[in-house]
Order: sequence, then structure tokens, then C-alpha cells
Amino acid sequence: EPEVTQTPSHQVTQMGQEVILRCVPISNHLYFYWYRQILGQKVEFLVSFYNNEISEKSEIFDDQFSVERPDGSNFTLKIRSTKLEDSAMYFCASRLAEYNEQFFGPGTRLTVL
Amino acid sequence: AQSVAQPEDQVNVAEGNPLTVKCTYSVSGNPYLFWYVQYPNRGLQFLLKYITGDNLVKGSYGFEAEFNKSQTSFHLKKPSALVSDSALYFCAVRDPVFSGGYNKLIFGAGTRLAVHP
Repeated sequence: EPEVTQTPSHQVTQMGQEVILRCVPISNHLYFYWYRQILGQKVEFLVSFYNNEISEKSEIFDDQFSVERPDGSNFTLKIRSTKLEDSAMYFCASRLAEYNEQFFGPGTRLTVL
Repeated sequence: AQSVAQPEDQVNVAEGNPLTVKCTYSVSGNPYLFWYVQYPNRGLQFLLKYITGDNLVKGSYGFEAEFNKSQTSFHLKKPSALVSDSALYFCAVRDPVFSGGYNKLIFGAGTRLAVHP
């Protein structure tokens, strides 16, 4: 069964450093999302991406964040200058079409020291 | 604005007993509702969804959910709980395009289900 994959599973970085989180969505899916979950809290939407552009972003997704789909398979989330409060589990998700559910990857745990 | 409430932080049930995990929602228009499960150190796994049609929706691992429009609820149920069902369960509502939501999911806070032998 096709699945969403994410790398790395765990990333440790120093405050102020740049990180890139990588995702490979399910191959025929058209809609892509990033969510995050701070430890013990609810899952929060960050950004949605369709047709090679951002369709919506949350208040969390400020100028330090960017997303890219550099080729036909990868979908990346970049944080330019990490802060302590960026420590969280980051989930990538993809969806085929209008009435379909989103499929989530296993997540990348980001720890900012 | 769309929102989801899961009123219980934790639900405890004995193995073999029926379980219910509660969810209520507030949406504009017709609701598209979802349940996901999260096992420790794992991602979110899709369980079931309600888009339209029968109010009782069947999903993975023997779970089902009942959509109740008048009570704006979408409770998750299973007739006979297993210890392996112990996990974190999230209810979610789709934020539709017509309200500017571009179909992102809005999640409840989650309910931890503990099934005891």
C-alpha cells in the first residue's frame, strides 16, 4: 500500500540554524500539507500546497518558513532560523482529490537546542 | 470558524467492553468529518470518514462512528475493545474551500484511550 514517507525521523539542531524536513507524498496525490504537533498538544495546520503554490498558510507559518516541491516527488519544509519553540513533531500529509482523506507520514521530530 | 471538541482527555475501558470516544463539531455548511489514531512515536493513521450518506460509518480495525447532525456529534465507537486499541485518537473536520480553508484539517485536542486487560 502506498504511503507518505518523511526524513529524517529525528533532527537535532542549534537555535538559529536552518533545517530542511523532507517528505515524499503518495505519487498520484495532488494536495500537500504540513502540520506540527508540539509535545502533548493538538495537531496544528501549517501550510497547504497545490499546483506548485501555497494555497493557505497559518499564522505560525511566518517568513522563517518556506515550502518547495523541487521535483515530481519531494515536498520540503524549510525553517530558516530555528527557535526553541519550533521544537515539535512535523507531519507531512497528502490527498488525492476533493472528497479524499489526507494520508500522513510518520513525522520528523525536530529538537532545537 | 470551524472547530472540533473532544471533551474527554482520557477514556478507560476494560478489554471486551464497548468503547465510545466523543467528538462534537462546529462548521459552516455540510461537515466532512474524520477520525485518526496515533500510536506512540508514530504518525496519524486514518480510521474513517463521514462525507455524506449513512449516518453510521464503518472504518478500519472494527471501528465505526455515528454522525448526528442535530447534536453536531461524530462519536467513535467499537463494540468490543482490545488492549491493542490503546492509543491517542483525534477527531478532525475539514475546513472547506468555500470558507477559504482549502480543505485543511482542523483537529480536536485528542483523547487518550486506555484499554485494560
